[in-house]
Amino acid sequence: AQTVTQSQPEMSVQEAETVTLSCTYDTSESNYYLFWYKQPPSRQMILVIRQEAYKQQNATENRFSVNFQKAAKSFSLKISDSQLGDTAMYFCAFRDYGNKLVFGAGTILRVKS
Amino acid sequence: NAGVTQTPKFQVLKTGQSMTLQCAQDMNHEYMSWYRQDPGMGLRLIHYSVGAGITDQGEVPNGYNVSRSTTEDFPLRLLSAAPSQTSVYFCASSSSPQTPREQYFGPGTRLTVT
Repeated sequence: AQTVTQSQPEMSVQEAETVTLSCTYDTSESNYYLFWYKQPPSRQMILVIRQEAYKQQNATENRFSVNFQKAAKSFSLKISDSQLGDTAMYFCAFRDYGNKLVFGAGTILRVKS
Repeated sequence: NAGVTQTPKFQVLKTGQSMTLQCAQDMNHEYMSWYRQDPGMGLRLIHYSVGAGITDQGEVPNGYNVSRSTTEDFPLRLLSAAPSQTSVYFCASSSSPQTPREQYFGPGTRLTVT
């Protein structure tokens, strides 16, 4: 069974600085998808970024980028120019071709002014 | 286009009571699923459906039933509520399982069982 591990329960960063959230996963499959979801206090799950495992290029979405290391089974999220609105719980998730998502336990990110 | 809707937003049940959490989507998505979110554990898959009339179990199915009679609706039934089912429940949907599409989540239902 696939597992996703987020080793940082909580992190904080100063506004405008850069922060990296870690995620590792375990799978025997070669084709899969990885996601980062953001959950603000409103509880809504918001997709931040996704990565297809067959693509070597790291995904980027504005201030959000990932460092995908397939051999190491690592998928970290980098947030540049952190903003107060980035304060949220962040979940790393793995999806196999069966479309089932497996989530990590989450990292609480607090952006300080 | 309302996306994924869930009702109710909050619910308190007594142990042994039954209830149904409603989920509906208007995007004609084939794939729908239910997750529960507990502190420190992320979201865990309860049941999922790949189309009308087809359902299957996820990681934590015990104590829950689902059915999928239409593409739009995917209700989750608690047969006899237990305090261990106190959680936040999310419904999600996406288009064909074989395409790399994101899952769209509903706003969640906070359930407390006393």
